[in-house]
Amino acid sequence: DTGVSQNPRHKITKRGQNVTFRCDPISEHNRLYWYRQTLGQGPEFLTYFQNEAQLEKSRLLSDRFSAERPKGSFSTLEIQRTEQGDSAMYLCASSLARQGNSPLHFGNGTRLTVT
Amino acid sequence: GESVGLHLPTLSVQEGDNSIINCAYSNSASDYFIWYKQESGKGPQFIIDIRSNMDKRQGQRVTVLLNKTVKHLSLQIAATQPGDSAVYFCAENGDTGRRALTFGSGTRLQVQP
Repeated sequence: DTGVSQNPRHKITKRGQNVTFRCDPISEHNRLYWYRQTLGQGPEFLTYFQNEAQLEKSRLLSDRFSAERPKGSFSTLEIQRTEQGDSAMYLCASSLARQGNSPLHFGNGTRLTVT
Repeated sequence: GESVGLHLPTLSVQEGDNSIINCAYSNSASDYFIWYKQESGKGPQFIIDIRSNMDKRQGQRVTVLLNKTVKHLSLQIAATQPGDSAVYFCAENGDTGRRALTFGSGTRLQVQP
């Protein structure tokens, strides 16, 4: 399978704990995006990288959230001191940079439940 | 499996009929638009995209229409099949040249056999 891979698929954590998710994009894609989706809503943009540079961050990305893409390949999203409101599906997507926009290809997400 | 879009607008069609899903976008500076299909427990799947210099684009059984005057986007699915049942999202880039996408709230398509 050469699509976007996300791990873990599910994560249950207690409020106040830290969690980290991993995303492996499609290998030739140099743009990587993080989104969050709650039930009944469309995905909400969090942040995106071109290679290792973080080029845009949403206001949704509070100080407790940090994303990295140290070598321009896989990325991690960490949430510190989790809150119940962080419960959501966290989606990663990648795309191939070319002149103009190109489609984002999504993984199947990591479902986070904060108890 | 996980349910996506519990309280979304729903379009119910008969198998074999054509489906039209509509989307209004808000930002007149958007120059890239895209439709996604999302099934329960899965991430959004790319269907078709269109740039603002076009008003129509066709794929396999799907057509996207863009009306920039009224900021409206539609997805037409020909000969709808049970496998087309899913939640459909439109997305726009929100600003000229912006690479990230802003998603709409989605429409659930139910195909009756």
